[in-house]
Amino acid sequence: DIQMTQSPSSLSASVGDRVTIACRANQNIRNYLSWYQQKPGKAPKLLIFAASSLQSGVPSRFSGSGSGTDFTLTISSLQPEDFATYYCQQSYSTFRTFGQGTKVEIK
Amino acid sequence: EVLLVESGGGLVQPGGSLRLSCAASGFNISNNYMSWVRQTPGKGLEWVSVIYTGGTTYYGDSVRGRFSISRDNSKNTVYLQMGSLRADDTAVYYCARGQGPAFDYWGQGNLVTVSS
Repeated sequence: DIQMTQSPSSLSASVGDRVTIACRANQNIRNYLSWYQQKPGKAPKLLIFAASSLQSGVPSRFSGSGSGTDFTLTISSLQPEDFATYYCQQSYSTFRTFGQGTKVEIK
Repeated sequence: EVLLVESGGGLVQPGGSLRLSCAASGFNISNNYMSWVRQTPGKGLEWVSVIYTGGTTYYGDSVRGRFSISRDNSKNTVYLQMGSLRADDTAVYYCARGQGPAFDYWGQGNLVTVSS
């Protein structure tokens, strides 16, 4: 299986901060990378697909970049509703795998 | 509006069986691949299974041989038949719609607890 590793596992940030979350695959997955946001007790929500394409309805402060093995999710100006856990997920393989998650907490 | 509503979860003894259902509305499941993803309490997400539009199915290593995914297009519903259940199958199970490379809609989640 393709292993996905996110860093950091958690971070503390303030409203208005620029936040960057990294995701690394253990093999080349081209741009088959998605990002999800999950809030407690809720289902994950798709933010970014194909590494950098913004899902309809998602605020433009979210952006994704990268290809191959290294990817990044950036929140340009953190808002109160953005405090959540973020997951990357590869779809290069039929056997989809997720990163372990990055929890974004209030500083 | 696209909606996915799961049902069928609950408490089951180790070694038992359970069938989860995922009723879709707002689209035809015959036009999308559908997956099940689970999340153990306080932990991350684990992909479980997929059924493609042509009927091909795949499973994660931890459930292969014990779980079976299927769909009934006439009822617009996807199922996950779970057997030989173990304590480590305890999780919230989500169904998700596949669109291109991602899961664009998710159900609300259904808790399955395996315990004696």
